[in-house]
Amino acid sequence: AQKVTQAQTEISVVEKEDVTLDCVYETRDTTYYLFWYKQPPSGELVFLIRRNSFDEQNEISGRYSWNFQKSTSSFNFTITASQVVDSAVYFCALSERETSGSRLTFGEGTQLTVNP
Amino acid sequence: SAVISQKPSRDICQRGTSLTIQCQVDSQVTMMFWYRQQPGQSLTLIATANQGSEATYESGFVIDKFPISRPNLTFSTLTVSNMSPEDSSIYLCSAVGSRSYNEQFFGPGTRLTVL
Repeated sequence: AQKVTQAQTEISVVEKEDVTLDCVYETRDTTYYLFWYKQPPSGELVFLIRRNSFDEQNEISGRYSWNFQKSTSSFNFTITASQVVDSAVYFCALSERETSGSRLTFGEGTQLTVNP
Repeated sequence: SAVISQKPSRDICQRGTSLTIQCQVDSQVTMMFWYRQQPGQSLTLIATANQGSEATYESGFVIDKFPISRPNLTFSTLTVSNMSPEDSSIYLCSAVGSRSYNEQFFGPGTRLTVL
C-alpha cells in the first residue's frame, strides 16, 4: 500500500529564511508520480510540481526547488528567501500509476508560517 | 491546465438534509475524483467518478451516503446525504487532463458546515 509521510506538522520561519519541507513515501510500484500542492488560507489547492519515478533530476523554479532521492524515498521541497505569501499548508502526494491510476495519496501536510 | 469550478462554494446545512455539489471542468478530462478534507486534516479520496457508470468508492465510503454522477466528460456531482455534523468538511473535485496524464488539478472546494 502506498503511504506519504510529512513528519513536520508545523514550521515557523522569519521572512527571507530558507526552509525545507520533508516528504517520505512508500510504494511497491516502480512507476509512480510525486506531487507537491500548496493550500493557502483561502482553501484552494494549488499544483506546484509533478515528478515521475524515472526522473531524479532536481528541479528549480524561481525560489522553489525540489530534491528527489529514490535511495531514501524522499521528495523534499525547499523555499529560498521565504516570503509572508508563502504561508500555507503544503501537501506532498503520491500516485501509483500502475495500481491506482491517478488516485492521489496525500501526506498530512505541513503548515508553514512565514513571519515578517 | 484544466480550470475547475465548483458550486456552491460554501453552505451551512441542517442535520438530516442532503446537499449536491457540482463540479464543472472547462475541457474534456479522462478522470474525475472527489476528495474530502475534514477540518485541520489532509485530503482523503472518496471516489473516482466514472463517466456513464457507477463511481468507484474507496474503503469507508459508500454510495448511499455519497452518491456520485458523471453524465459526461466535463461534469460531475457529489451528494452528501443525510448529513450529520461529522460531514462538515471541504469537498474538492479534481480532474486529470486528457493530454497530461497524472497532472491532477483541483477545484476551489466546497466548504460544508452541518449544524
